[in-house]
Amino acid sequence: EDQVTQSPEALRLQEGESSSLNCSYTVSGLRGLFWYRQDPGKGPEFLFTLYSAGEEKEKERLKATLTKKESFLHITAPKPEDSATYLCAVSNAGGTSYGKLTFGQGTILTVHP
Amino acid sequence: DGGITQSPKYLFRKEGQNVTLSCEQNLNHDAMYWYRQDPGQGLRLIYYSQIVNDFQKGDIAEGYSVSREKKESFPLTVTSAQKNPTAFYLCASSIDHGAANEKLFFGSGTQLSVL
Repeated sequence: EDQVTQSPEALRLQEGESSSLNCSYTVSGLRGLFWYRQDPGKGPEFLFTLYSAGEEKEKERLKATLTKKESFLHITAPKPEDSATYLCAVSNAGGTSYGKLTFGQGTILTVHP
Repeated sequence: DGGITQSPKYLFRKEGQNVTLSCEQNLNHDAMYWYRQDPGQGLRLIYYSQIVNDFQKGDIAEGYSVSREKKESFPLTVTSAQKNPTAFYLCASSIDHGAANEKLFFGSGTQLSVL
């Protein structure tokens, strides 16, 4: 069974204090790993897709990286508007689970001014 | 603007009552999904549809039903058989289920509570 575990559950940063969020995964065949951002009371918003170990993608203050067992979302010099819940999900490449997404429970990020 | 519209934003269900959550998309996407989100848990798939007039059960389909009569619409009915329906329900769509870029577009969600 595919599993995704995100850590920490919650992270509090001061504005400008860089840090990383972790997403550890177990999947029989990785088709892709996805990062989403979710604001309170809203639906998740797509950030990145990573397909193979060693791949990196950047968007403003966010950079996502991927290894064979985990992904990191690095946040450089965060601002209060980066406060949100960050969700990680994996897509399975094989068999009856083809295309199925398994989500982690999310990391709640709070950035204080 | 293209997107996914969910309604209502808040919904209350009485004991023994069926309620229907609406989801409409104008993105011309083939695939649509319903997820349930509970505090501290990951999103869990209830049902998904790859094409009109076809849908499949997800991981937690018991107590729910769906229909896909039009490409744009994928309503979810929470039946009285669902004993713990209180949750945040999210509708999503993608160009094609299982596509190389499985990018989901989500609606703003419906919060369902039991009276």
